[in-house]
Amino acid sequence: LAKTTQPISMDSYEGQEVNITCSHNNIATNDYITWYQQFPSQGPRFIIQGYKTKVTNEVASLFIPADRKSSTLSLPRVSLSDTAVYYCLVGDLSGNTPLVFGKGTRLSVIA
Amino acid sequence: DGGITQSPKYLFRKEGQNVTLSCEQNLNHDAMYWYRQDPGQGLRLIYYSQIVNDFQKGDIAEGYSVSREKKESFPLTVTSAQKNPTAFYLCATQGPGAIIQPQHFGDGTRLSIL
Repeated sequence: LAKTTQPISMDSYEGQEVNITCSHNNIATNDYITWYQQFPSQGPRFIIQGYKTKVTNEVASLFIPADRKSSTLSLPRVSLSDTAVYYCLVGDLSGNTPLVFGKGTRLSVIA
Repeated sequence: DGGITQSPKYLFRKEGQNVTLSCEQNLNHDAMYWYRQDPGQGLRLIYYSQIVNDFQKGDIAEGYSVSREKKESFPLTVTSAQKNPTAFYLCATQGPGAIIQPQHFGDGTRLSIL
């Protein structure tokens, strides 16, 4: 299973763009990159998923370089409610191989 | 996640007692998972099941047991052999293998020792 490395914590002011980078050097050909958000005492919530290049939805953008050994989650104009832990996961998502959660990145948004 | 129901939300266990955490889903997903989360830590996989009547151990299965008699249900029993059961337990599901789908999570059960 591909191992991921991401910063333990980040701070940002409201209204700023936040970029969280995840390293996954041994990503496999069939692996997708998925990001989850978790608030205290809640289950993780799916944010965005991609395989290569750029993916954008109403919540975030995901940038994946050509070698796919890293990815960057971009949160535009964060608010206090974006304070949470963000997890980067890599896996084939077939259900045959469980996803592995690391410790995630704890984002604190400051007013 | 509205399609996954975990109960109870809070649970207390006495020493030497087995307790069972419930996870029910109406998403028609084949795969179901149990994770444990300790304060300030990520999620660790306890057990998972890809199909009814079949399940596999995750990274920290010792002291836990599961069953998968129905597609909709994947209960987790925390046995007395689990000496440090205090944690937040999360159940997740994932859609059919032919479709790339993210995992969906319940709202969790917080287990404490009396």
